[in-house]
Amino acid sequence: GEDVEQSLFLSVREGDSSVINCTYTDSSSTYLYWYKQEPGAGLQLLTYIFSNMDMKQDQRLTVLLNKKDKHLSLRIADTQTGDSAIYFCAESPNSGNTPLVFGKGTRLSVIA
Amino acid sequence: GAVVSQHPSRVICKSGTSVKIECRSLDFQATTMFWYRQFPKKSLMLMATSNEGSKATYEQGVEKDKFLINHASLTLSTLTVTSAHPEDSSFYICSARPDGEAFFGQGTRLTVV
Repeated sequence: GEDVEQSLFLSVREGDSSVINCTYTDSSSTYLYWYKQEPGAGLQLLTYIFSNMDMKQDQRLTVLLNKKDKHLSLRIADTQTGDSAIYFCAESPNSGNTPLVFGKGTRLSVIA
Repeated sequence: GAVVSQHPSRVICKSGTSVKIECRSLDFQATTMFWYRQFPKKSLMLMATSNEGSKATYEQGVEKDKFLINHASLTLSTLTVTSAHPEDSSFYICSARPDGEAFFGQGTRLTVV
């Protein structure tokens, strides 16, 4: 079945860049997402990328996709303490009414 | 973007009682909605797929008589946790995918005491 893997923890200093990595197994993945979850809160969509793209940049966020290796990364430039949260990678094979498959989440801790 | 509204955001109930959680699509019609459950410090696990006008599809290991899903209209799906027990305490979150992008409700933190 489909599987999405992420490292569980990442710790960075304020002002540095954070890179959160994700691998997936479903070669038919079309949509790949990054969500942010702060303590006690729901999911906030940060960005998503289509499988026909290699990179997408949105302000401090850069998503890189290596479709050959089924590897997705999220880079947060100039990481701030407010970026401390859990980041979930998720994938979906299509745009239809199918659920997303989530990774276990990466807990990002930003040290001031 | 599309808005999915979930209510209540927090609920505390006594063991043995039932709790209903509502998920509404505010500016679009959703023939399908997804219900997830998240244990503390864990990922989101799909519980069931809610289909408007028909029975929900449950994932393996999810008791359909325990977690009743009703999708009576194109904008509302409800999840009822029946005869709740402390082990049902969790974060429940619904989602819909109009046009591919997935939107999530705010989530409901259920605590059964």
